[in-house]
Amino acid sequence: DQQVKQNSPSLSVQEGRISILNCDYTNSMFDYFLWYKKYPAEGPTFLISISSIKDKNEDGRFTVFLNKSAKHLSLHIVPSQPGDSAVYFCAASENTGNQFYFGTGTSLTVIP
Amino acid sequence: EPEVTQTPSHQVTQMGQEVILRCVPISNHLYFYWYRQILGQKVEFLVSFYNNEISEKSEIFDDQFSVERPDGSNFTLKIRSTKLEDSAMYFCAGNRDNEKLFFGSGTQLSVL
Repeated sequence: DQQVKQNSPSLSVQEGRISILNCDYTNSMFDYFLWYKKYPAEGPTFLISISSIKDKNEDGRFTVFLNKSAKHLSLHIVPSQPGDSAVYFCAASENTGNQFYFGTGTSLTVIP
Repeated sequence: EPEVTQTPSHQVTQMGQEVILRCVPISNHLYFYWYRQILGQKVEFLVSFYNNEISEKSEIFDDQFSVERPDGSNFTLKIRSTKLEDSAMYFCAGNRDNEKLFFGSGTQLSVL
């Protein structure tokens, strides 16, 4: 049962343009959401998070939007840079537990 | 910046053999996790560990798997009798509370 879904396995974007990565979840009890970035042969590194009391969180070029009614979150990267090319995972957890559920990832390629 | 350290980076073993994957979490972390990612698939939760005992485990974490924190520093994952389908990248992670996870760079396990 996949509680966190990333339906786009890959995305290509021109340098300088906006990258939008999407994530859907099914468990309405999730209240904390995170985005991780992963380069080949490395572990996932934390990028940005949002709690369910907010609908937007911004950190530099990265903004995460949360739509609780649609059970959908997105990560916006603007402007995109070639160094952003990586696999991006969204993850979610419930406040009552300490298990994080990950999506399958979206491979972003930023074309110079 | 403190890091989660995993050794070895690569482990090759014969089916049926025991393997131990090692991790040194960040010193002020309280919760410890093992995740794995089979090639091309999502990052899957295996087990979480708190206060010297397992707090949650997934269906993947069957009797062939065990975890230990033998000396307050290392955190190990043991697979007693490896199967071909155990081939994956295994990630150790930690956090202080229900906050972002810090991941190690992973151990690539290949079962032949």
